[in-house]
Amino acid sequence: GAVVSQHPSWVICKSGTSVKIECRSLDFQATTMFWYRQFPKQSLMLMATSNEGSKATYEQGVEKDKFLINHASLTLSTLTVTSAHPEDSSFYICSAHTSGTYQETQYFGPGTRLLVL
Amino acid sequence: QKEVEQNSGPLSVPEGAIASLNCTYSDRVSQSFFWYRQYSGKSPELIMSIYSNGDKEDGRFTAQLNKASQYVSLLIRDSQPSDSATYLCAVYTGRRALTFGSGTRLQVQP
Repeated sequence: GAVVSQHPSWVICKSGTSVKIECRSLDFQATTMFWYRQFPKQSLMLMATSNEGSKATYEQGVEKDKFLINHASLTLSTLTVTSAHPEDSSFYICSAHTSGTYQETQYFGPGTRLLVL
Repeated sequence: QKEVEQNSGPLSVPEGAIASLNCTYSDRVSQSFFWYRQYSGKSPELIMSIYSNGDKEDGRFTAQLNKASQYVSLLIRDSQPSDSATYLCAVYTGRRALTFGSGTRLQVQP
């Protein structure tokens, strides 16, 4: 299957700082990537859809000024958590949409665990 | 009604038994169906996809799709303790993002 990487895998930061998370599709081009958040023992929550070359589409209740998404190329999307607070501590997972050889599906990155102190 | 429904479990089966995981969806125009496995603390991993009615087998896994009943299932034969995880059903309805169920937690008892 297709490979998606995320960096960093772990990040600990102080309250008020900004954190950038990178999501890369390694062996395919992804015009669309997705960002999810998952709190302990809860299901995946879609935060936003990242479209290459255009603005991201945010789900209801997700602050677009707090969670900045940039999809600068067909293989890279970044999520920046601005002015992070302890309640932003969570598991952030990206996925990339593919079509064609792999048909229509999504492959997930390994996730980034964020802890805000 | 949720778009994709799964029993949260836990579903407990003995080692070597067949585990049967079920999922129903509400949107009749759904086109593609997926099963992901998620171990605790890890991201979801795609294990099966199915696009047409009937059964699709891959090793110990069999996905079953019935579009008339809006039902998709996953059978795991010869269940192993390493199969213990949360299994997420996902449906592609034409929106770019998959719609996920809340997952069924499977426990395989040694």
